[in-house]
Amino acid sequence: SQTIHQWPATLVQPVGSPLSLECTVEGTSNPNLYWYRQAAGRGLQLLFYSVGIGQISSEVPQNLSASRPQDRQFILSSKKLLLSDSGFYLCAWGGSLNTGELFFGEGSRLTVL
Amino acid sequence: SQQGEEDPQALSIQEGENATMNCSYKTSINNLQWYRQNSGRGLVHLILIRSNEREKHSGRLRVTLDTSKKSSSLLITASRAADTASYFCATRRTGANNLFFGTGTRLTVIP
Repeated sequence: SQTIHQWPATLVQPVGSPLSLECTVEGTSNPNLYWYRQAAGRGLQLLFYSVGIGQISSEVPQNLSASRPQDRQFILSSKKLLLSDSGFYLCAWGGSLNTGELFFGEGSRLTVL
Repeated sequence: SQQGEEDPQALSIQEGENATMNCSYKTSINNLQWYRQNSGRGLVHLILIRSNEREKHSGRLRVTLDTSKKSSSLLITASRAADTASYFCATRRTGANNLFFGTGTRLTVIP
């Protein structure tokens, strides 16, 4: 069966520090991968999605970047964090780009101080 | 915004009652999905309804879709305290590569 792992679960970082959140998927090949951000009490905002190694699409301009160095690995990064980067980050995978459901990781809560 | 909007934002009911949540969206869609999120956790897919379907059931869940009104509803029958969570609708727009999520309904089921 497929599983998705996301880490770290919790992160407290000072403004201006770098960020790296990692997500890996097991039990499937060539998944479509997504990074979402959820502000407190809000819905999900799509940040990036990837249909293959090295292929990244960005939905909104921001202080973050994403990379997909391996088929089942998706990394969210920042060189210098801003206060506004605080939030709950969720990685997800889906098999069918146009129709299917998404399967989410447990999330990474980032607090920027 | 092209996201769905859930209504109400929060709902509190007694255990055993039915809970109804609504979702409205703005563009033509391929399908609409409902997800559940326990506090501080990831989202879990509940049910998917395609644009050519009008109603779908899964256990205690009943979803309806009215594409002419661009709206959907999620009914949870015979609610339980364990149903306490946030519920989100998500739309897969026609021709789009991703899901757009609404702002969610926070459901509290009181034992």
